[in-house]
Amino acid sequence: EDKVVQSPLSLVVHEGDTVTLNCSYEVTNFRSLLWYKQEKKAPTFLFMLTSSGIEKKSGRLSSILDKKELSSILNITATQTGDSAIYLCATLHWAGGTSYGKLTFGQGTILTVHP
Amino acid sequence: NAGVTQTPKFQVLKTGQSMTLQCAQDMNHNSMYWYRQDPGMGLRLIYYSASEGTTDKGEVPNGYNVSRLNKREFSLRLESAAPSQTSVYFCASSERASPLYEQYFGPGTRLTVT
Repeated sequence: EDKVVQSPLSLVVHEGDTVTLNCSYEVTNFRSLLWYKQEKKAPTFLFMLTSSGIEKKSGRLSSILDKKELSSILNITATQTGDSAIYLCATLHWAGGTSYGKLTFGQGTILTVHP
Repeated sequence: NAGVTQTPKFQVLKTGQSMTLQCAQDMNHNSMYWYRQDPGMGLRLIYYSASEGTTDKGEVPNGYNVSRLNKREFSLRLESAAPSQTSVYFCASSERASPLYEQYFGPGTRLTVT
């Protein structure tokens, strides 16, 4: 069974701290790993990591894919209260016998940043 | 660009009632998806449409039907709502159904079935 596991499940920090969120996966026909940020509404796309792009950076956020360890981390430096959200990790892979890329989500990490 | 839009934002139904959730995207994407999000279960795929004119079942299709009306629009219908269908429903789209294309999500519909 395809599985994506995130840790920690929740994290409370103060503004200015650096956080590292973890994601590990066991999926067949892995193709890419995605990070999303979910506030009150829809998951907002952050990064996609594939074998041809194992490291991405955008402002204070960065992510690395370790295909050997079947894992990824999302780093947020100099956190702000606006970073408070649920961070979702998901893998995209061909679902057997189908014609689409299956998105399998982890449970999410709830990040709370206090002023 | 509005991205992916969904209507309604909230809905309360009585058991046995029917309703249709609407989704539209303006990104000229070929593929569209319907997910439901439940506490502790993550997002699970209900149905998807790899391209205009095709639809297929996802992980949890029972109790739902879909229509890919055109390239922009993909609707989800609950024929006879049940309390187990209380959930938040998200529509998503991607350029193609391939696992190398990220999916973009709409704002969600919070559905309660009493």
